[in-house]
Amino acid sequence: SAVISQKPSRDICQRGTSLTIQCQVDSQVTMMFWYRQQPGQSLTLIATANQGSEATYESGFVIDKFPISRPNLTFSTLTVSNMSPEDSSIYLCSSRPPPPDTQYFGPGTRLTVL
Amino acid sequence: GQNIDQPTEMTATEGAIVQINCTYQTSGFNGLFWYQQHAGEAPTFLSYNVLDGLEEKGRFSSFLSRSKGYSYLLLKELQMKDSASYLCAVRPRLMGQLTFGSGTQLTVLP
Repeated sequence: SAVISQKPSRDICQRGTSLTIQCQVDSQVTMMFWYRQQPGQSLTLIATANQGSEATYESGFVIDKFPISRPNLTFSTLTVSNMSPEDSSIYLCSSRPPPPDTQYFGPGTRLTVL
Repeated sequence: GQNIDQPTEMTATEGAIVQINCTYQTSGFNGLFWYQQHAGEAPTFLSYNVLDGLEEKGRFSSFLSRSKGYSYLLLKELQMKDSASYLCAVRPRLMGQLTFGSGTQLTVLP
Protein backbone atom coordinates (compact mmCIF):
# COMPACT_ATOMS: atom_id res chain seq x y z
CA SER A 1 0.00 0.00 0.00
CA ALA A 2 1.05 3.60 -0.51
CA VAL A 3 1.69 5.81 2.48
CA ILE A 4 0.56 9.37 1.91
CA SER A 5 1.38 12.33 4.12
CA GLN A 6 -0.07 15.80 3.97
CA LYS A 7 1.02 19.11 5.45
CA PRO A 8 -0.42 20.98 7.21
CA SER A 9 -2.88 18.71 8.97
CA ARG A 10 -5.07 21.69 9.80
CA ASP A 11 -5.03 25.45 9.54
CA ILE A 12 -7.17 28.44 10.34
CA CYS A 13 -6.86 31.21 7.77
CA GLN A 14 -8.18 34.68 7.17
CA ARG A 15 -10.46 35.53 4.29
CA GLY A 16 -8.57 36.62 1.19
CA THR A 17 -5.36 34.75 1.96
CA SER A 18 -4.00 31.61 0.28
CA LEU A 19 -2.86 28.27 1.65
CA THR A 20 -0.68 25.66 -0.03
CA ILE A 21 -1.18 22.03 0.95
CA GLN A 22 1.59 19.53 0.32
CA CYS A 23 1.15 15.86 -0.45
CA GLN A 24 3.98 13.34 -0.35
CA VAL A 25 3.68 9.68 -1.38
CA ASP A 26 6.24 7.12 -0.30
CA SER A 27 6.49 5.53 -3.75
CA GLN A 28 6.22 6.63 -7.35
CA VAL A 29 2.62 6.74 -8.48
CA THR A 30 1.06 7.44 -11.81
CA MET A 31 -2.12 9.08 -10.63
CA MET A 32 -2.55 11.70 -7.92
CA PHE A 33 -5.82 13.40 -7.14
CA TRP A 34 -7.11 16.19 -4.94
CA TYR A 35 -10.52 15.87 -3.30
CA ARG A 36 -12.59 18.13 -1.09
CA GLN A 37 -14.95 16.96 1.62
CA GLN A 38 -17.23 19.64 3.00
CA PRO A 39 -18.76 19.14 6.44
CA GLY A 40 -21.17 16.22 6.52
CA GLN A 41 -20.75 15.48 2.83
CA SER A 42 -18.98 12.95 0.66
CA LEU A 43 -15.85 13.45 -1.38
CA THR A 44 -15.78 15.64 -4.47
CA LEU A 45 -12.90 15.50 -6.92
CA ILE A 46 -11.21 18.84 -7.51
CA ALA A 47 -8.61 17.81 -10.06
CA THR A 48 -6.20 15.18 -11.28
CA ALA A 49 -2.59 16.22 -10.78
CA ASN A 50 -0.60 15.28 -13.89
CA GLN A 51 3.13 14.91 -13.68
CA GLY A 52 4.86 17.33 -16.04
CA SER A 53 1.71 19.00 -17.32
CA GLU A 54 -1.24 21.05 -16.15
CA ALA A 55 -3.77 19.52 -13.83
CA THR A 56 -7.13 18.39 -15.16
CA TYR A 57 -9.94 20.14 -13.30
CA GLU A 58 -13.47 18.93 -12.69
CA SER A 59 -16.50 21.00 -13.48
CA GLY A 60 -16.87 23.79 -10.96
CA PHE A 61 -13.17 24.03 -10.13
CA VAL A 62 -10.70 26.34 -11.88
CA ILE A 63 -6.96 26.69 -11.95
CA ASP A 64 -6.98 30.29 -10.72
CA LYS A 65 -8.72 29.25 -7.53
CA PHE A 66 -7.00 25.90 -7.01
CA PRO A 67 -3.58 25.91 -8.68
CA ILE A 68 -1.88 22.52 -8.52
CA SER A 69 1.71 21.49 -9.02
CA ARG A 70 3.12 18.01 -9.61
CA PRO A 71 6.85 18.30 -10.12
CA ASN A 72 7.56 14.56 -9.84
CA LEU A 73 5.92 11.17 -9.31
CA THR A 74 5.82 11.38 -5.51
CA PHE A 75 4.81 14.96 -4.70
CA SER A 76 2.02 17.42 -5.38
CA THR A 77 0.70 20.67 -3.97
CA LEU A 78 -2.75 22.24 -3.96
CA THR A 79 -3.18 25.94 -3.29
CA VAL A 80 -6.50 27.34 -2.14
CA SER A 81 -6.39 30.94 -3.31
CA ASN A 82 -8.21 34.04 -2.14
CA MET A 83 -10.03 32.02 0.47
CA SER A 84 -13.55 32.61 1.70
CA PRO A 85 -15.49 30.86 4.48
CA GLU A 86 -17.09 28.64 1.83
CA ASP A 87 -13.67 27.07 1.29
CA SER A 88 -13.72 25.65 4.82
CA SER A 89 -13.41 21.95 4.20
CA ILE A 90 -11.17 18.94 4.42
CA TYR A 91 -8.79 18.65 1.49
CA LEU A 92 -7.57 15.17 0.70
CA CYS A 93 -4.76 13.98 -1.49
CA SER A 94 -5.18 10.58 -3.09
CA SER A 95 -2.90 8.34 -5.10
CA ARG A 96 -3.21 5.22 -7.14
CA PRO A 97 -0.14 3.01 -7.22
CA PRO A 98 0.12 0.32 -9.88
CA PRO A 99 -1.70 -2.00 -10.37
CA PRO A 100 -4.76 0.25 -10.54
CA ASP A 101 -7.01 -1.77 -8.27
CA THR A 102 -6.55 0.37 -5.19
CA GLN A 103 -6.62 4.02 -4.32
CA TYR A 104 -5.39 5.49 -1.08
CA PHE A 105 -6.01 8.74 0.72
CA GLY A 106 -3.82 10.97 2.76
CA PRO A 107 -4.87 12.01 6.27
CA GLY A 108 -6.41 15.22 4.98
CA THR A 109 -5.95 18.92 5.70
CA ARG A 110 -8.73 20.50 7.74
CA LEU A 111 -9.07 24.11 6.64
CA THR A 112 -11.13 26.72 8.44
CA VAL A 113 -11.51 30.15 6.86
CA LEU A 114 -12.67 32.97 9.09
CA GLY B 1 -23.55 11.86 -15.79
CA GLN B 2 -22.70 9.75 -12.80
CA ASN B 3 -25.19 8.69 -10.15
CA ILE B 4 -24.37 6.59 -7.10
CA ASP B 5 -26.98 5.85 -4.46
CA GLN B 6 -26.61 4.40 -1.00
CA PRO B 7 -28.73 4.70 2.15
CA THR B 8 -27.96 7.69 4.31
CA GLU B 9 -28.06 5.92 7.65
CA MET B 10 -28.21 2.41 9.08
CA THR B 11 -28.27 1.06 12.61
CA ALA B 12 -27.32 -2.43 13.75
CA THR B 13 -26.49 -4.29 16.93
CA GLU B 14 -23.08 -5.46 18.06
CA GLY B 15 -22.42 -9.01 16.88
CA ALA B 16 -24.98 -8.81 14.08
CA ILE B 17 -24.59 -8.72 10.29
CA VAL B 18 -25.35 -5.65 8.21
CA GLN B 19 -25.54 -5.18 4.44
CA ILE B 20 -24.98 -1.75 2.92
CA ASN B 21 -26.27 -1.46 -0.64
CA CYS B 22 -25.00 0.73 -3.44
CA THR B 23 -26.52 1.22 -6.87
CA TYR B 24 -24.83 3.10 -9.64
CA GLN B 25 -25.41 4.52 -13.07
CA THR B 26 -22.21 5.74 -14.66
CA SER B 27 -20.94 6.49 -18.15
CA GLY B 28 -18.47 3.62 -17.85
CA PHE B 29 -17.32 1.07 -15.34
CA ASN B 30 -13.85 0.01 -14.35
CA GLY B 31 -14.18 -0.94 -10.73
CA LEU B 32 -16.17 -0.30 -7.58
CA PHE B 33 -14.54 0.62 -4.29
CA TRP B 34 -15.70 0.63 -0.70
CA TYR B 35 -14.13 2.86 1.91
CA GLN B 36 -14.61 3.25 5.65
CA GLN B 37 -14.36 6.71 7.14
CA HIS B 38 -14.42 7.47 10.84
CA ALA B 39 -15.39 10.97 11.88
CA GLY B 40 -12.54 13.41 11.40
CA GLU B 41 -10.36 10.88 9.60
CA ALA B 42 -9.47 10.11 6.00
CA PRO B 43 -11.21 7.29 4.11
CA THR B 44 -9.64 3.87 4.52
CA PHE B 45 -9.69 1.47 1.57
CA LEU B 46 -11.78 -1.65 2.25
CA SER B 47 -12.39 -3.44 -1.02
CA TYR B 48 -12.34 -3.36 -4.79
CA ASN B 49 -14.59 -5.26 -7.21
CA VAL B 50 -14.27 -5.22 -10.96
CA LEU B 51 -15.76 -8.63 -11.80
CA ASP B 52 -19.15 -10.00 -10.75
CA GLY B 53 -19.23 -11.92 -7.54
CA LEU B 54 -18.24 -11.82 -3.93
CA GLU B 55 -14.88 -10.74 -2.52
CA GLU B 56 -14.28 -11.72 1.09
CA LYS B 57 -11.78 -10.14 3.45
CA GLY B 58 -12.19 -11.30 6.99
CA ARG B 59 -15.35 -9.82 8.50
CA PHE B 60 -15.96 -7.70 5.42
CA SER B 61 -17.25 -8.91 2.05
CA SER B 62 -18.18 -6.97 -1.05
CA PHE B 63 -20.41 -8.11 -3.89
CA LEU B 64 -20.82 -6.78 -7.40
CA SER B 65 -23.36 -7.29 -10.17
CA ARG B 66 -22.37 -5.23 -13.17
CA SER B 67 -25.51 -6.06 -15.14
CA LYS B 68 -27.65 -4.67 -12.32
CA GLY B 69 -25.38 -1.75 -11.45
CA TYR B 70 -25.41 -3.00 -7.87
CA SER B 71 -22.99 -3.69 -5.08
CA TYR B 72 -23.19 -4.36 -1.39
CA LEU B 73 -20.79 -4.35 1.52
CA LEU B 74 -21.45 -7.03 4.12
CA LEU B 75 -20.12 -6.60 7.62
CA LYS B 76 -20.24 -9.61 9.94
CA GLU B 77 -19.79 -9.89 13.70
CA LEU B 78 -20.25 -6.18 14.08
CA GLN B 79 -18.11 -4.37 16.59
CA MET B 80 -18.56 -0.95 18.12
CA LYS B 81 -15.52 0.28 16.22
CA ASP B 82 -17.36 -0.43 12.95
CA SER B 83 -19.49 2.64 13.59
CA ALA B 84 -18.40 4.88 10.72
CA SER B 85 -19.41 6.21 7.34
CA TYR B 86 -19.10 3.72 4.46
CA LEU B 87 -18.47 5.19 1.05
CA CYS B 88 -19.21 3.50 -2.26
CA ALA B 89 -17.18 4.80 -5.21
CA VAL B 90 -17.14 3.91 -8.89
CA ARG B 91 -14.28 4.37 -11.33
CA PRO B 92 -15.80 4.95 -14.77
CA ARG B 93 -12.49 4.69 -16.63
CA LEU B 94 -9.38 2.63 -15.89
CA MET B 95 -7.08 5.63 -15.50
CA GLY B 96 -9.76 7.97 -14.26
CA GLN B 97 -10.92 9.30 -10.97
CA LEU B 98 -13.36 7.85 -8.46
CA THR B 99 -16.90 9.15 -8.18
CA PHE B 100 -18.25 8.81 -4.66
CA GLY B 101 -21.70 8.17 -3.29
CA SER B 102 -22.91 10.28 -0.40
CA GLY B 103 -21.94 7.66 2.17
CA THR B 104 -23.88 5.51 4.64
CA GLN B 105 -23.50 6.37 8.31
CA LEU B 106 -23.54 3.10 10.24
CA THR B 107 -24.19 3.14 13.96
CA VAL B 108 -23.47 -0.03 15.92
CA LEU B 109 -25.40 -0.27 19.18
CA PRO B 110 -24.39 -2.37 22.18
